[in-house]
Amino acid sequence: GAVVSQHPSWVICKSGTSVKIECRSLDFQATTMFWYRQFPKQSLMLMATSNEGSKATYEQGVEKDKFLINHASLTLSTLTVTSAHPEDSSFYICSAGAVSYNEQFFGPGTRLTVL
Amino acid sequence: QKEVEQDPGPLSVPEGAIVSLNCTYSNSAFQYFMWYRQYSRKGPELLMYTYSSGNKEDGRFTAQVDKSSKYISLFIRDSQPSDSATYLCASFTGGGNKLTFGTGTQLKVEL
Repeated sequence: GAVVSQHPSWVICKSGTSVKIECRSLDFQATTMFWYRQFPKQSLMLMATSNEGSKATYEQGVEKDKFLINHASLTLSTLTVTSAHPEDSSFYICSAGAVSYNEQFFGPGTRLTVL
Repeated sequence: QKEVEQDPGPLSVPEGAIVSLNCTYSNSAFQYFMWYRQYSRKGPELLMYTYSSGNKEDGRFTAQVDKSSKYISLFIRDSQPSDSATYLCASFTGGGNKLTFGTGTQLKVEL
């Protein structure tokens, strides 16, 4: 399957700072990227869907001003957690897909710890 | 009602046992059905992928989909301690549309 990378794999930041997480599809052009959040012992919760070149579609209850998503190219999407707080500490996972693919390819995840 | 329901477990079995993991779904538009395995602090890894109804076998793993009853199953034969992980079922309608996940079942295979 296709390879999706995330960077960084683990980040610790102070409360009130912003953190950017990158998601890259390495060997295919991802027209759609998805961002998930996962708390310990829980399933993946979809935060937003982003299509290349357009604004992201956020799921109900997800603050679009807090979780900024940019999908400027077919191989890169970024999630910026603005003014992070301890309750934002979680495992953030991206996946990449395309209309021509009936499958999504997941990144390895980024663990965010906000102190 | 969630679109995909899955018993969260935990499920504990002895090594060598046959494991049966199940999900039900409610959206008739779902056409693609997946099983992912997720180890602690790692991203999900695709195990099995099935289109529409039927069975699919890959080594020790067999996936079954029954669209008439909206039932998805994963069977693991000769389970190994290395199979200990969380197993997530997921469904979607295809193309660039979003996946809908079950809650995940935590499996532990004991020596």
